[in-house]
Amino acid sequence: NAGVTQTPKFRILKIGQSMTLQCTQDMNHNYMYWYRQDPGMGLKLIYYSVGAGITDKGEVPNGYNVSRSTTEDFPLRLELAAPSQTSVYFCASAASMDQPQHFGDGTRLSIL
Amino acid sequence: AQSVSQHNHHVILSEAASLELGCNYSYGGTVNLFWYVQYPGQHLQLLLKYFSGDPLVKGIKGFEAEFIKSKFSFNLRKPSVQWSDTAEYFCAARSGNTGKLIFGQGTTLQVKP
Repeated sequence: NAGVTQTPKFRILKIGQSMTLQCTQDMNHNYMYWYRQDPGMGLKLIYYSVGAGITDKGEVPNGYNVSRSTTEDFPLRLELAAPSQTSVYFCASAASMDQPQHFGDGTRLSIL
Repeated sequence: AQSVSQHNHHVILSEAASLELGCNYSYGGTVNLFWYVQYPGQHLQLLLKYFSGDPLVKGIKGFEAEFIKSKFSFNLRKPSVQWSDTAEYFCAARSGNTGKLIFGQGTTLQVKP
């Protein structure tokens, strides 16, 4: 059982480049989340989705976009990478709002 | 604004010492509380959760936490830590109907053998 899979694991971008962080889950979970983790700051919610076709902003959505065309996939897009977006990004999913979230292994992104 | 605060940012203990990590939240109404652990190089894993009922909840690996509503606290405890407990620990709270979690800043625990 793969759970939540994130790709890539590591990436270095130049300022102004764009990229998509992939997240897929095979547990048929409706709820999916994107967080960023910065040292000493804990995890901050970027975007979330309560089902296919439905997305909403979290605490720190600026500079990011998401889509949820299928239940399984919840990609996160950076259009114009900035140094402030250097972080570790975690995707998570849950069967319902009452269930614990399952996390992926994370994507470490550096923007230089 | 809703928030979760963890008191200790970095804790160093010797093996067999007792552990207590503080967590306070600022929510009104019903709240669900969680402790997650992140071992070096790994993703977050759920240690334990509190939804309702007995305020003393037991989790995996000998951890427990006590929900004290009057203090808005959900402190994590373990009677005797092991070197393998070296990790980062996150307290989180959830309210509302979207499942969104608000995380504390995290506490790095280092256990010396």
